[in-house]
Order: sequence, then structure tokens, then C-alpha cells
Amino acid sequence: GIQVEQSPPDLILQEGANSTLRCNFSDSVNNLQWFHQNPWGQLINLFYIPSGTKQNGRLSATTVATERYSLLYISSSQTTDSGVYFCAEIKAAGNKLTFGGGTRVLVKP
Amino acid sequence: ETGVTQTPRHLVMGMTNKKSLKCEQHLGHNAMYWYKQSAKKPLELMFVYNFKEQTENNSVPSRFSPECPNSSHLFLHLHTLQPEDSALYLCASSQGLAGGYEQYFGPGTRLTVT
Repeated sequence: GIQVEQSPPDLILQEGANSTLRCNFSDSVNNLQWFHQNPWGQLINLFYIPSGTKQNGRLSATTVATERYSLLYISSSQTTDSGVYFCAEIKAAGNKLTFGGGTRVLVKP
Repeated sequence: ETGVTQTPRHLVMGMTNKKSLKCEQHLGHNAMYWYKQSAKKPLELMFVYNFKEQTENNSVPSRFSPECPNSSHLFLHLHTLQPEDSALYLCASSQGLAGGYEQYFGPGTRLTVT
């Protein structure tokens, strides 16, 4: 089956720092999403990015489907960026989101 | 109200109780999903509905019973749960069922079984 692996599992940042989160997947995908889960459990959509590069404010993401990985960049991190970041993918012939284990980010003031 | 809403946000129930979780989506989507997030485990899919019809049951125990009366509403009926069923239950929706559609999540119901 498809496996989704995220690294690092935990990340502590000083406010203002930049960081890169990685998501590796084991099969060809039709859908790759990045989410931010806030302390109350809400999953907030960040990017829908099966391939290519997208940017939204201080966040950007790149998926290289042929090499089966996606990267999420956080620039000039803020304390409100704290939380857990998940990537999730759906294989080309499926409809089930398979989630990675998440990267827990703590941004210190 | 916009997006995907879930009620209640928190629920504490005994093992002999019967309760229901409700999800409503205001996005005009056709597919709806239940996910379970337990402590220290990845989010896992439970059920998928498309145009009110169940298309996937991910080997979920029968003490969880979903219901989808229309494309906008999804329920999860709970009975005789176990303490290990305590988790965050998340509802999601998407425009279509195929993998090319983005899924949007509700805020979740945090369930505690005592």
C-alpha cells in the first residue's frame, strides 16, 4: 500500500526563522494536500498540489511527482504557525486520503 | 454558515450510551467522509459517501453506524463504544469522489468514552 512519510517529526523554531518540511510518498499520486492542524484540532487547507509549486503568503509548497516527494516551506515563522502539519495523498486510482504522521512545529517568541 | 460544520464539538459518553455526531457541508459538494484521529496515530478514513451512497467502509466496527440522508448531511451513530474509541472524529467533503478533488474538513468532535 501507499506509505506517506513526513520529516522531521518535530521542529522547534525561533520566531522569524525559515524551515522546510518534507513529505515522501511511495506511489504515483493524483492528489497531494498539505494541512495545518491548529491546537483545537481543526484541519486547515494549505495547498492542493499534486505537482508543481504554489505560494500563499509566507508559505509555499513544491511537489515533484516523478521523485515522489513534496516540500512545504515556512518563511519568517510566527508563533501562530505552531501546530501540526500534515501531508496527505490519494493515489491515482483511489479516493481515500492517506495521511502522513505529521510534523509538530513549535515557534518560540 | 460556510464550509463544513460539526456538532457537538465535545462529547463525553459512557460505554452503554447511544449518541450521534452530525456533520453538515455548505459547499455544494457531493462526497462526504468520516475520519478518526487517535492519539499518536495517523488520521484514518472510516467511511466514504458519494451522492448519499456509501462507497467505502474501511473495516470499521459495527458499533459505528453512518447515515447520509442527503449530500449535505452526514451522521455517525455511536452505540456501546469502548474507551479506545476515544478520539477526534473529523468530517470532510469534496466536490467529487475521484482523487483529483480537494477535501475540506470540519472542526471535529472530540469524543471521550468513559
